[in-house]
Amino acid sequence: NAGVMQNPRHLVRRRGQEARLRCSPMKGHSHVYWYRQLPEEGLKFMVYLQKENIIDESGMPKERFSAEFPKEGPSILRIQQVVRGDSAAYFCASSPPVTGTDTQYFGPGTRLTVL
Amino acid sequence: GESVGLHLPTLSVQEGDNSIINCAYSNSASDYFIWYKQESGKGPQFIIDIRSNMDKRQGQRVTVLLNKTVKHLSLQIAATQPGDSAVYFCADASGNTPLVFGKGTRLSVIA
Repeated sequence: NAGVMQNPRHLVRRRGQEARLRCSPMKGHSHVYWYRQLPEEGLKFMVYLQKENIIDESGMPKERFSAEFPKEGPSILRIQQVVRGDSAAYFCASSPPVTGTDTQYFGPGTRLTVL
Repeated sequence: GESVGLHLPTLSVQEGDNSIINCAYSNSASDYFIWYKQESGKGPQFIIDIRSNMDKRQGQRVTVLLNKTVKHLSLQIAATQPGDSAVYFCADASGNTPLVFGKGTRLSVIA
């Protein structure tokens, strides 16, 4: 039973480019969460999605950031016109449909570096 | 807003000793907590959880204690091993809000 998968594991972008981060939840999980982690910091919530729905995006910047979780395929976190301050590790977590936010299981993360 | 936090940013222990990592929370309505372990370059890994109807829960070499009166929880690791070296986070997983993480405590095990 594969865990949460994220790709790419490392992503380098120049300022102004777009970054696309992908997350495939654990089998049977329909809830996906995205978190951002700066060095030596805890994880900060960004967005919570279910299939085809954004449930809570209160932690996501209003501009340049968007997220989706389509009916088929992985969840995508998209950052447009990246800036140096976007450099961070981005983690995806998933949880099963019944329990909602209980016990989230994390992927290995995508480390974004903006040059 | 509500928050969780950890008392110490770093903790060094001798191999074989017991480790205690503390965490305070501020929301008296919080009723579910999770401890995560994050090794360098990896995502957080679930260790153990506890609900507010319990004050103690044991796993393999780990014990979590919850004191609702003072809004404090701790993670105890018995016979600490080099493989336990990591950053440990407590997270408030209550209700319908996403996990709220503290900054973490870095545990270093001295061989």
